[in-house]
Amino acid sequence: QVQLQQSGPGLVKPSQTLSLTCAISGDTVLSNNVAWNWVRQSPSRGLEWLGRTHCKSDCYYDFAVSMKSRITINPDTSKNQFSLHRKSVTPEDTAVYYCVRNDIPYGMDVWGQGTTVTVSS
Amino acid sequence: QSVLTQPPSASGTPGQRVTMSCSGSTSNIGNNYVYWYQHLPGMAPKLLIYKNDQRPSGVPDRFSGSKSGTSASLAINGLRSEDEADYYCASWDGSLMGELFGGGTKLTVL
Repeated sequence: QVQLQQSGPGLVKPSQTLSLTCAISGDTVLSNNVAWNWVRQSPSRGLEWLGRTHCKSDCYYDFAVSMKSRITINPDTSKNQFSLHRKSVTPEDTAVYYCVRNDIPYGMDVWGQGTTVTVSS
Repeated sequence: QSVLTQPPSASGTPGQRVTMSCSGSTSNIGNNYVYWYQHLPGMAPKLLIYKNDQRPSGVPDRFSGSKSGTSASLAINGLRSEDEADYYCASWDGSLMGELFGGGTKLTVL
């Protein structure tokens, strides 16, 4: 059974970097045809896809147009986890953040427990 | 404003059939699979439908999906109170090179 366990701070100050980690069990970050995603949810925006990484011999990355240049996703094969880093956050980045497995083309079938992140001074 | 358009709300009484729509374009729904997710308050979203009309194991057959051209629909038969949730469609967009979610439909069971 695949499980995703998220960790990271729930409060981040404006202009700082938001960093979250997602530990994978029951699967590997190098799985074929699997992409590891970050998605956030807020009352004003609903579900919003942020980006993903998928790795074979190399790792590839796709990001939402609105996120490019301020977001990185880093897979860590030694720890079997992946992380999200979002630079220069503003209060609009306040949301519940989820890490998600996408077993392509079978959909986003495994979700982390969610981390509520508040951007406030 | 989402590229995938969903009505903001829908409602029905227990036992009824409810449908909700998702409208996109040839960049997304027209040439890629559609997925549906159920989001209950305080929980992580749950995959309901994949590849337009397929149900994952454990999803009741009361839920069904369909796709035609650049639009898709989710139908719920035999509506139950526990179906009250937000429902999101999703599809890959080949022009934006990213996954898109619709704005979500809030289903109320009266």
